[in-house]
This record gives sequence, C-alpha cells and structure tokens, in this order.
Amino acid sequence: AQKVTQAQTEISVVEKEDVTLDCVYETRDTTYYLFWYKQPPSGELVFLIRRNSFDEQNEISGRYSWNFQKSTSSFNFTITASQVVDSAVYFCALSEAGYSSASKIIFGSGTRLSIRP
Amino acid sequence: NAGVMQNPRHLVRRRGQEARLRCSPMKGHSHVYWYRQLPEEGLKFMVYLQKENIIDESGMPKERFSAEFPKEGPSILRIQQVVRGDSAAYFCASSRDRAYPGNTIYFGEGSWLTVV
Repeated sequence: AQKVTQAQTEISVVEKEDVTLDCVYETRDTTYYLFWYKQPPSGELVFLIRRNSFDEQNEISGRYSWNFQKSTSSFNFTITASQVVDSAVYFCALSEAGYSSASKIIFGSGTRLSIRP
Repeated sequence: NAGVMQNPRHLVRRRGQEARLRCSPMKGHSHVYWYRQLPEEGLKFMVYLQKENIIDESGMPKERFSAEFPKEGPSILRIQQVVRGDSAAYFCASSRDRAYPGNTIYFGEGSWLTVV
C-alpha cells in the first residue's frame, strides 16, 4: 500500500535558522514520483519539486534543498536561513506509475512550519 | 499553478442544501482531478475526469457526491444534502495529457466549503 508519513506535525524556529522537514514514504512500485508542495496561509497549493525514483541526486534551489534516499524511503526537505515568508504548511506526496494509480497523488498530513522573527 | 480557476473560493451552505463547485482547467487541458482537504489533513484524491468521461472515481464517497466534466464548460463537483462533515477545502487540478506520474498537474486555489 502507498503511504506518506510526515511525523512532524508542527515546527517553530527563529528566523535565519535552518530547518528540515522529514518525509517517509511506502510503495511497492519501483517507478514512482515524489513531490513537495507548500500551502501558505492564503490556502493555495504551490508546487516546489518533483523527483522520480531513479534519480537520487540531491537537489538545491536557492535556500531549498532536498535529500532523497531510497535506502531509507525518505525525501527530506531543508530550508536554509529560514525567513518569515517560509511560514506555511508543507506537504510531501507520492505518485505511482501504474495506470490505475497514476491519477492519484498520495499526500502526507503536512508539517506546519512557523518562522518567528 | 496559475490558470486553473475554481469558484466560488468560499461557499457557505446550511445542512441539507446542495453545493456546486466549479473548476475551469488550464487552457488546452482536458484532464481534471478533484481532491478534498479536511481540516488539519493532507489532500485526498476524489475523482479523475476527462472530457465527458469519469476515468477514476475510487476516492468519491458513495453517496451524495458526483462530478462531471462536460464537453463544454467547467467541471462541476456536486454535493447533495450537505452535512457538517463535508466542510473542507476542495482542490481541482488539471493536466494536458492523461494521468501519468511524470506529467505536471496544476492545482487551482481551492474552494472552501463551510456547512453550518
């Protein structure tokens, strides 16, 4: 069965601190995609990254970086030098390659990140 | 995620009334997906539609909920006889091609339903 677990319900840090959001997934497929989305207080979903199961290279985009480790089924997200505007709920998600499951993105329950000035 | 238009953004309904949520996909997209986000939870897949066809409705509640995507016009998610437990954010997403994990799907800004 597919599952995405974000064990951290809420995190609060002071501005400029680094913070890592954990994501652990379960799937039986060998081909799958992992995502991170941001949901700011205004409510919309903002796409951050998509990574396929064959690409384990870490990715960096500005202050954001992602660490994908198939050995531990984890896809963690780190924000460096956090800013107040990073305050949001962050969702990790999984999509499998099978025809019947490709239409579904499985979301974790989210981590609420608060950055204090 | 620009381009997927949902309306209304906020809807209040009394118990027993009907709620209709609309979704206009991005230009050129013929595949639409609906997700529901209950308070303090992640999004859950509801239904996947292509023009005039329901492809996958495995996430739809068995009663009171229906979805359509007509040849012309927006996709509609309809909830009949709403109950308090239907209060949630409903997100629509669209893609150009059929569902495939590598395809980019674009989410709308969501419609927040409150049942009083």
